Amino acid sequence: DAGVIQSPRHEVTEMGQEVTLRCKPISGHDYLFWYRQTMMRGLELLIYFNNNVPIDDSGMPEDRFSAKMPNASFSTLKIQPSEPRDSAVYFCASSSTSRDSRYNEQFFGPGTRLTVL
Amino acid sequence: GQQLNQSPQSMFIQEGEDVSMNCTSSSIFNTWLWYKQDPGEGPVLLIALYKAGELTSNGRLTAQFGITRKDSFLNISASIPSDVGIYFCAGPPRVAGNMLTFGGGTRLMVKP
Repeated sequence: DAGVIQSPRHEVTEMGQEVTLRCKPISGHDYLFWYRQTMMRGLELLIYFNNNVPIDDSGMPEDRFSAKMPNASFSTLKIQPSEPRDSAVYFCASSSTSRDSRYNEQFFGPGTRLTVL
Repeated sequence: GQQLNQSPQSMFIQEGEDVSMNCTSSSIFNTWLWYKQDPGEGPVLLIALYKAGELTSNGRLTAQFGITRKDSFLNISASIPSDVGIYFCAGPPRVAGNMLTFGGGTRLMVKP
């Protein structure tokens, strides 16, 4: 089975540019999470969706960050305008609460390493 | 909110040695998960614990769900170079939903 798919794997952009990160969760999973990882702050939850609806976006750092989930198989995290301090690895994860899946196990994608110059 | 404190923050050991790390919380958790992150990759689930006192093994890894439900332990026996990475504990906050709180991680380095 395919795991969580993220694209691009690496992104280098200049300050002020718009950045869009993409995620395809595991088929059948009804939860999707966006995380940011830095050396200083570790793994931070930015936002999560349940059945394509944003449930908690309290971790989104600023209005420059936005996330969407137009359908069950696709989500985007957008940063506009980007700043050097946004440089980090961004992970998408998905999980399921169905009967066949253990509660709370999140499966992570490989991440997108973002560098803002 | 709830926080998970992991210790040690980093370890540098010799190949073949056993490793112990732990995770504590000021609040009760009903599920404990241990993840490993290889360099340049996303975290991968190693072991899941669902019952207080539970002891679960996965190869050379053994994890325990503390009786108080406020801590968990992960042991790695006979470490090898590929054990290198960051080990995270995680658990669901008491608020409903599929959210997980992650600890700060234990960075393991193994000297061949």
